[in-house]
Amino acid sequence: NAGVMQNPRHLVRRRGQEARLRCSPVKGHSHVYWYRQLPEEGLKFMVYLQKENIIDESGMPKERFSAEFPKEGPSILRIQQVVRGDSAAYFCASSRQTGAEAFFGQGTRLTVV
Amino acid sequence: RKEVEQDPGPFNVPEGATVAFNCTYSNSASQSFFWYRQDCRKEPKLLMSVYSSGNEDGRFTAQLNRASQYISLLIRDSKLSDSATYLCVVNGGGNTDKLIFGTGTRLQVFP
Repeated sequence: NAGVMQNPRHLVRRRGQEARLRCSPVKGHSHVYWYRQLPEEGLKFMVYLQKENIIDESGMPKERFSAEFPKEGPSILRIQQVVRGDSAAYFCASSRQTGAEAFFGQGTRLTVV
Repeated sequence: RKEVEQDPGPFNVPEGATVAFNCTYSNSASQSFFWYRQDCRKEPKLLMSVYSSGNEDGRFTAQLNRASQYISLLIRDSKLSDSATYLCVVNGGGNTDKLIFGTGTRLQVFP
């Protein structure tokens, strides 16, 4: 009974490279959320997706960030041309329906050097 | 006004104490409410959902006050292992209904 799986757990990228973060939701869950957390700060909402649809991306930076949740396969958060300020923990959560409780993966810790 | 507001704390309490956290939310259309717990550098974990009638799970009691738009969490007989950050979570209501997290209240239980 696998929970939310995120990979990689740790990712190091040089400035200007691309970072791809993957999230496989709980089996049967069709809703995925991505959050970013800086050290000593709270979770900041980034994007909310359902299968093949972006429902709310109001928390996504306008440039360099994109997310998808295809019909098959994991959800992907993509950060192009990373900068030092992108270093953070990125958490993915999934839920079975709108408004239901969400379950989190262990996160991907991105470090930009 | 923030969508979800919590006192950041820290709350420092001795073992065995009772401690209560409050959280206020701004969107009266919100319908789902939760408390999560987050340990240092770990993922948030669902502690309990919050129902209109209030609900209890062992030493934990959650209450919802829709009129005043706040929810509360009461922890009785605090244990050292309760030390963590407690996150208030509200669904956004409206068209997108995303889950919105408060910044958390930090609890430290000491011997």
